[in-house]
Amino acid sequence: GAVVSQHPSRVICKSGTSVKIECRSLDFQATTMFWYRQFPKQSLMLMATSNEGSKATYEQGVEKDKFLINHASLTLSTLTVTSAHPEDSSFYICSARGASGTYNEQFFGPGTRLTVL
Amino acid sequence: QKEVEQNSGPLSVPEGAIASLNCTYSDRGSQSFFWYRQYSGKSPELIMFIYSNGDKEDGRFTAQLNKASQYVSLLIRDSQPSDSATYLCAVTSGSARQLTFGSGTQLTVLP
Repeated sequence: GAVVSQHPSRVICKSGTSVKIECRSLDFQATTMFWYRQFPKQSLMLMATSNEGSKATYEQGVEKDKFLINHASLTLSTLTVTSAHPEDSSFYICSARGASGTYNEQFFGPGTRLTVL
Repeated sequence: QKEVEQNSGPLSVPEGAIASLNCTYSDRGSQSFFWYRQYSGKSPELIMFIYSNGDKEDGRFTAQLNKASQYVSLLIRDSQPSDSATYLCAVTSGSARQLTFGSGTQLTVLP
């Protein structure tokens, strides 16, 4: 399958700071990228969908001013958690889908574990 | 509200046995169906996808889809301890083809 990377893999920050997470598709062009959040012992919850060059579409209950998503190129999307608080501590996972994905396959990055102190 | 339901488990099977994982979905317009495996602390990895009624086999894994019953399952033959993980059922629907995940079934294969 295709390779998706995320950086950083783990980040610890103080409350009130902003954290940027990068998601890259390494060997294909990702027309659509998805950002998920997963709390312990829960399933993945979709936060937003972003198409290259367009504004992201956020799921209900996800604050777009707090979780800034940029999908400026076909291989890179970024999620910025602004003014992070302890309740934002979670496992953030991106996935990418190329235009040629006949069966809607999404390839997942390895995830970023965010801890806000 | 589009829902994907899974039995959370835990499901325990002895090594070499068949593990059967089940999933139901609420949206009749769902188009594609996926099984992901997630080890603790890791992101999901795709095992199989299926989009038409019937069975699809890949090695030790068989996915079964019944759209009339809105039911999809995953069978793991000759289960190995390394198969111990959480298995996530996911469904795509709608024009955006977003994935909706079930809550996952935790599988333990006992040596």
